[in-house]
Amino acid sequence: DGGITQSPKYLFRKEGQNVTLSCEQNLNHDAMYWYRQDPGQGLRLIYYSQIVNDFQKGDIAEGYSVSREKKESFPLTVTSAQKNPTAFYLCASSLGMLNEKLFFGSGTQLSVL
Amino acid sequence: GDSVTQMEGPVTLSEEAFLTINCTYTATGYPSLFWYVQYPGEGLQLLLKATKADDKGSNKGFEATYRKETTSFHLEKGSVQVSDSAVYFCALSPMKTSYDKVIFGPGTSLSVIP
Repeated sequence: DGGITQSPKYLFRKEGQNVTLSCEQNLNHDAMYWYRQDPGQGLRLIYYSQIVNDFQKGDIAEGYSVSREKKESFPLTVTSAQKNPTAFYLCASSLGMLNEKLFFGSGTQLSVL
Repeated sequence: GDSVTQMEGPVTLSEEAFLTINCTYTATGYPSLFWYVQYPGEGLQLLLKATKADDKGSNKGFEATYRKETTSFHLEKGSVQVSDSAVYFCALSPMKTSYDKVIFGPGTSLSVIP
C-alpha cells in the first residue's frame, strides 16, 4: 500500500541537541511538506519542497532545516536553535503544489528532556 | 492575507445527534475548500472537498456546501457516532500559483458520547 511513513513516533531531545525526523513516501509525489502542530492550534508550515534538491521556507522555518536528496525522502532536523521544539510534527505530500489533496503521515511527537 | 476561521471547540454531542461545525474563510479569487479529520494520535485525512461555488462535498455521511456569498463551508452530519470523535480542520487552497500553500483553520475537537 502506498503512503507516508514517519519515524520515530516519539522522540526526546536533550538541550543543545539536534534531532532528525524521518519522512518517506512511496506515492511518487513531487511535493512534500513539514507542519508543526501545537495543542489546540492549527497546522503551521515549516518547510516545503516542490521537487528534488529544492525546498522553501514556510511560516516558521527558524530553528529547523531540511534536505530533499531523493524524491521519496524529506527529513526534518530540529536544531538546538529551536528553543521550543515540543510539538507534534506532521509530514505530508501531494502530487504537485497545485494538487490540493494532501496525504499525511501519522506524525512524530517530539518532547524535550 | 487568506485565512480560515472555525468555531471554537470542544464540541460534545450524544450519539445520533446532528452535527454542525462552522467554517468561514477570507480569500481572493476562487479557492478550493476542504475538511480534514484527525483521529487521536494520527495524521490528517481528507474528509471532503469542494472546488467551486455551490459545490457540495460529501463523504461518510458528512456534507459541506461551498457558499461564496457567505464565504462559508460548514460541515454537517445528520447522526453522529462515537467513532466520529476526532479533530476536524477546515482548510483552503488559493490555487492561484504553484507557490500557494494550503491554509488550515485551528481545528474543532468533537467528542461523541454513547
